[in-house]
Amino acid sequence: AQKVTQAQTEISVVEKEDVTLDCVYETRDTTYYLFWYKQPPSGELVFLIRRNSFDEQNEISGRYSWNFQKSTSSFNFTITASQVVDSAVYFCALSEWEYGNKLVFGAGTILRVKS
Amino acid sequence: EAGVTQFPSHSVIEKGQTVTLRCDPISGHDNLYWYRRVMGKEIKFLLHFVKESKQDESGMPNNRFLAERTGGTYSTLKVQPAELEDSGVYFCASSQAGYGYTFGSGTRLTVV
Repeated sequence: AQKVTQAQTEISVVEKEDVTLDCVYETRDTTYYLFWYKQPPSGELVFLIRRNSFDEQNEISGRYSWNFQKSTSSFNFTITASQVVDSAVYFCALSEWEYGNKLVFGAGTILRVKS
Repeated sequence: EAGVTQFPSHSVIEKGQTVTLRCDPISGHDNLYWYRRVMGKEIKFLLHFVKESKQDESGMPNNRFLAERTGGTYSTLKVQPAELEDSGVYFCASSQAGYGYTFGSGTRLTVV
């Protein structure tokens, strides 16, 4: 079964704090992709990253970094030195080639960054 | 290149009425997906088109929902008759070769 769990419903931090958003997934497929999307208050879904199951290297993009660990089926997302503009809902998602690459989303984590 | 366009951006209708949502994918993208997020819950898959064919409609909640993609270009999602529980944000996404999804800005549907 395909499932994505984002256990943190809501996180509040003060600006400049680091914050990690957790994502745990379940899949029986060996070929899959993991994603993170950001949904700001304006409502659109903004693509942040896509990772395939064969690439476990961590990735850093500016203040964003991602830690992919197949051993624990996790794909966590860290924002360093958070800013108010980071306030949004963040979704982790999984897609599998076997299922037509449709995305299975987690429930989302609301991140509130206070100044 | 133009992104995925959805309209209307907002729609408020009364229970029992009909609403049609439209999605224009990125030109040349064969894959078109519909998703929705209801009441702050997770975003759920509705259906997947490959060109004009329905590849997977396992997520369609019931027969009040009808999706079409004429000529493999834009797609429409009709809800008839709308119920209160249909309220939510409907997202469309397109992709080529099964990856690199691009989402539209969504249509916020409110049924009163």
